[in-house]
Order: sequence, then structure tokens, then C-alpha cells
Amino acid sequence: LAKTTQPISMDSYEGQEVNITCSHNNIATNDYITWYQQFPSQGPRFIIQGYKTKVTNEVASLFIPADRKSSTLSLPRVSLSDTAVYYCLVGDRSGGGADGLTFGKGTHLIIQP
Amino acid sequence: NAGVMQNPRHLVRRRGQEARLRCSPMKGHSHVYWYRQLPEEGLKFMVYLQKENIIDESGMPKERFSAEFPKEGPSILRIQQVVRGDSAAYFCASSPRGGRSNNEQFFGPGTRLTVL
Repeated sequence: LAKTTQPISMDSYEGQEVNITCSHNNIATNDYITWYQQFPSQGPRFIIQGYKTKVTNEVASLFIPADRKSSTLSLPRVSLSDTAVYYCLVGDRSGGGADGLTFGKGTHLIIQP
Repeated sequence: NAGVMQNPRHLVRRRGQEARLRCSPMKGHSHVYWYRQLPEEGLKFMVYLQKENIIDESGMPKERFSAEFPKEGPSILRIQQVVRGDSAAYFCASSPRGGRSNNEQFFGPGTRLTVL
């Protein structure tokens, strides 16, 4: 599985847009990019998934450049409740194999008033 | 539709005792995954099961740990003769489709195991 690198922590303020970038230089052709969010004392929660270009849902946007060696999770107008750890995962959807998800240490996002 | 349920939420055991962690997947999900999270670390995959079958246990420690997902009832992660290093949060996740064919997994609230 492709290894991912993301900042250990980030700080921002309420109402700001937050962008968290993840590097995955060894991403394979079949790999998708998925982001999860984890609040303290809770299990991770799926946020968004994409393969290329841009994906947007009600929670976030995911920007993926043409070479796919990185991706950026964009959270619009964050609030205090967005304080959490955000994990970038890379893996395929070919159906082959049966691995579980591979989580790194994630990015600890702290939102201040 | 209830989410993934895990019990107990907190479990305290003394060294040498057994710990049993239970997970009920979301309704309609037949694929279950167990993960372990140490403090300040990301989740580490342990085992992937379908009903009555272990599909991938590459992340399970070779000794003392076992998992099952019977035809009826919850999935169980069993840790025999616990040691202090087993203290961690154990998360269960389920999905409607298996393995890497679907990266979206639905996680339970976790069981926090403390070994005294």
C-alpha cells in the first residue's frame, strides 16, 4: 500500500477555510484517496473519497492534482467542532485482496475561537 | 439503522486474565474488521472476518489473540492472558462489501481496555 505523509498538527480559527495536504508519492494506478475524521474517544468516520481532480460533498472538498502524488482536504468555514484528527488513506478498490485500512498518525487539527 | 455497536465500552482486567470484546456490525453488513489504537497512534489493522470465516489475520499477534464471527451473534475479539501492553482502544468496523473493494468502513465507538 502507498505510504502517506501529512502534517502532525495544524491550528486555525473558527470561520476559516482549512486545507490539509497529504503526500503519497508511490500511489498506484488502482489506488483511491480516502479521508477519515476521528474525534477523541470515538471511532473514525469516513469523510470523502476521490480518484482524481475534485470531489465535493456536504462536509468537505478533495483536490487531487493530475499526477495524484498528493491530495488536499479542504474544510470550509471550520467550527470548534471540527477539532479532530484527520487521516489520509490510500488503497485500491479492485476487489483483490482483503486488507484492512492502513492509518498513519494523521493530522491533529485544532480550531480556536 | 443502528450503527456499529461495541461492548463493553470500557474493560479493566488484571494481568493474566482474559478479555472478550464484542462487536455487532451495522444491519446488512457481513464484513467485520478489528483495529487496535495505542495512545497517540493511528489505528492498526488486526483482522478481517466474514460470517464464520477469517479472511485476513495478518495484523493479529501470533499468540493470545483470536477472533471469530459466528453465524449468529456478534463478532468477538478474545485476548487471553492479558499483559499491560495490551492496554489500548480496540475498534470494530463493518462494511457491506469486503476488503479493498470498498474503502468506506463504518466504525464503532471502541472498547478501551486497561490492563492493571
